[in-house]
Amino acid sequence: NAGVTQTPKFQVLKTGQSMTLQCAQDMNHEYMSWYRQDPGMGLRLIHYSVGAGITDQGEVPNGYNVSRSTTEDFPLRLLSAAPSQTSVYFCASSYHRSSSGYTFGSGTRLTVV
Amino acid sequence: SQKIEQNSEALNIQEGKTATLTCNYTNYSPAYLQWYRQDPGRGPVFLLLIRENEKEKRKERLKVTFDTTLKQSLFHITASQPADSATYLCALEGGSQGNLIFGKGTKLSVKP
Repeated sequence: NAGVTQTPKFQVLKTGQSMTLQCAQDMNHEYMSWYRQDPGMGLRLIHYSVGAGITDQGEVPNGYNVSRSTTEDFPLRLLSAAPSQTSVYFCASSYHRSSSGYTFGSGTRLTVV
Repeated sequence: SQKIEQNSEALNIQEGKTATLTCNYTNYSPAYLQWYRQDPGRGPVFLLLIRENEKEKRKERLKVTFDTTLKQSLFHITASQPADSATYLCALEGGSQGNLIFGKGTKLSVKP
């Protein structure tokens, strides 16, 4: 099925640990992005990419790294996890950053203890 | 910077009635405005996109309007059903690079 696949679905980390959230899409979308969703805060943009080899920061990039070596994959790396990074993370892809609808993954629920 | 306000956190209506959700923005009018549905524990699902030169757009029981003078979009669900119960998000270009920013959403509950 065409869409955006995120792994893992759930993760518990200890403070200071690092991990990578995986995101893959099979729709040949150039634009991909990572959001975090917190109660009362809505969806906030972490990082985005307009194509392979090109990434840029969003609204809340601190503590996160991304890379885009292929069109299909856009992993999000937490460098040194902090309790403030406890959240639900969504990856999304689209033909364009604002003129076409986004396809979202099912999310990763991350808890940092 | 652009801000989005969805002015109802929750909306409760009776089955069969029309649900109307509001999305207001504060600064420049975006070229595109989008609406999404999000169910608990799931990612948002794209519903409709409306362009600034379109006053209204329809898809089955859904209708979206876009008023650039009022800086407002209205999202209507006619003949609402309990299965329409979900959180609905408004989104528009508002980041520094024209990325999508999202409202906090309105949680719609349709009672049988």
